[in-house]
Amino acid sequence: EVQLLESGGDLVQPGGSLRLSCAASGFTFSAYAMSWVRQAPGKGLEWVSSFDRGGGTFYSDSVKGRFTISADTSKTTLFLQMNSLRAEDTAIYYCARVVPSSGWSLDAWGQGTLVTVSS
Amino acid sequence: SYDLTQPPSVSVSPGQTATITCSGDQLGGKYACWYQQKAGQSPVLVVYQDVKRPSGIPERFSGSNSGNTATLTISGTQTVDEADYYCQAWDSVTDVVFGGGTKLTVL
Repeated sequence: EVQLLESGGDLVQPGGSLRLSCAASGFTFSAYAMSWVRQAPGKGLEWVSSFDRGGGTFYSDSVKGRFTISADTSKTTLFLQMNSLRAEDTAIYYCARVVPSSGWSLDAWGQGTLVTVSS
Repeated sequence: SYDLTQPPSVSVSPGQTATITCSGDQLGGKYACWYQQKAGQSPVLVVYQDVKRPSGIPERFSGSNSGNTATLTISGTQTVDEADYYCQAWDSVTDVVFGGGTKLTVL
């Protein structure tokens, strides 16, 4: 069974940093691209970042230069390092697995971890 | 930037067909997919590559994509289908893009 378990969400002050983790199991982690998607309270889904099988990284304009996605294939874990956090980064952050050759559709999602940026 | 536009809400009676649209410039030339998100839960992929259903998704969910519009159709809608639905596509400039979401009410 495919499982994705996010952790690391917390309350942080504006300008602060946070590192999210997503532990993957039930599939060959290195064979899939992975993504982070967030959802602000009461709002829709917003793509944040993706990591492809070749190690390429992609970011939305809203987080480019502040967030860094990475993966530890030996530990089958996806990370999102978030720096210079802003109030508008407050959201539930989901990690998700990408369906190969599908236009980056996401077929497995974690339960999410809540990031709150507030003083 | 590339934008996907969905109606904010759609209402349907149980047993009827629900149609949710997603509009974007030349969307028919890209792969579109659809997610269902029930209150307090993580999204679930219900259609990908325009028309394919993941394992475990009921046959009443179907998709199409042509021109500037992708469509999610739910035939014989059930009360359990009440949820928010999001379309998504990939654009070479904007990367992954989500629509704003459509709240489906079954009453």
